Amino acid sequence: QSVLTQPPSVSAAPGQKVTISCSGSGFNIGNNFVSWYQQLPGTAPKLLIYDNNERPSGIPDRFSGSKSGTSATLDITGLQTGDEADYYCGTWDSSLSAGVFGGGTKLTVL
Amino acid sequence: EVQLAESGGGLAQPGRSLRLSCTTSGFTFRDFAMSWVRQAPGKGLEWLGLIKKKDYRGTTQYAASVTGRFTISRDDSKSIVYLQMDDLKTEDTAVYYCTRGGWYRDGLDQWGQGTLVTVSS
Repeated sequence: QSVLTQPPSVSAAPGQKVTISCSGSGFNIGNNFVSWYQQLPGTAPKLLIYDNNERPSGIPDRFSGSKSGTSATLDITGLQTGDEADYYCGTWDSSLSAGVFGGGTKLTVL
Repeated sequence: EVQLAESGGGLAQPGRSLRLSCTTSGFTFRDFAMSWVRQAPGKGLEWLGLIKKKDYRGTTQYAASVTGRFTISRDDSKSIVYLQMDDLKTEDTAVYYCTRGGWYRDGLDQWGQGTLVTVSS
C-alpha cells in the first residue's frame, strides 16, 4: 500500500488529454515538493516534472503538473502513442522521514 | 553530459551481502545528494535511501524496509556512490537505480540504467 495514491491505469485516444492524480497528506504532498517520473517500457524512469509544476529542459509543454493542498496532478495533452508508459509521483514524507512514490499509473493511448 | 552507471548487481544467496556502485560523470558530484531507488519485477518504484552532500555532513536517511541492512556511502574523490546491502532477502530481488538528488526542489533529476539484483538460493 503506497503512501501516495494514484489510479492504476488511465487511457485516452491520440490527441486527447489525460489527467493522472496523486493523493497524499499534509506530511508529504501538502508540505513538500512533488515530482513526476515517466518510465517507458523497459527503460529507467525519467524526471518529467519537479517543484510541483516545473519541466526540465527537453520535456515538451504537453506535460504539466499542479498541486493543490494534499493532491497533485499530471496533465498530458495532445496524447501520442509514444506517451504510453508508467507514471509515478514522488515526494518527501516528513513523518516517515523518507521519500515516497505513488503506486504508478499505466497510461494507454488507444 | 551527465551520466550515472550502476554496477555490482548479480545473483546472491539469502543472508549474503552485495555492494552496488554508481559511477558518475558530467557534473560536480560533491555538490549533490544522491539516492537509490529499486523496482521489483512487475512492481512500482521504491525509494531506498539518500546521502546528502558533505556540506550537510554526508548524512544518510533510509526507508524503513532497509534500515539496518542497507548502507549508502560516497567517495567524492571518485564521484561514486555505493549501496552496501547486507543480510539479503528474496524480496530484495529488484532492479536497483542510482539517482541524482534527494527529494529537494529539483527532484530525482538523473537516473542510471539500473542493475539487477537477484536473491535466490
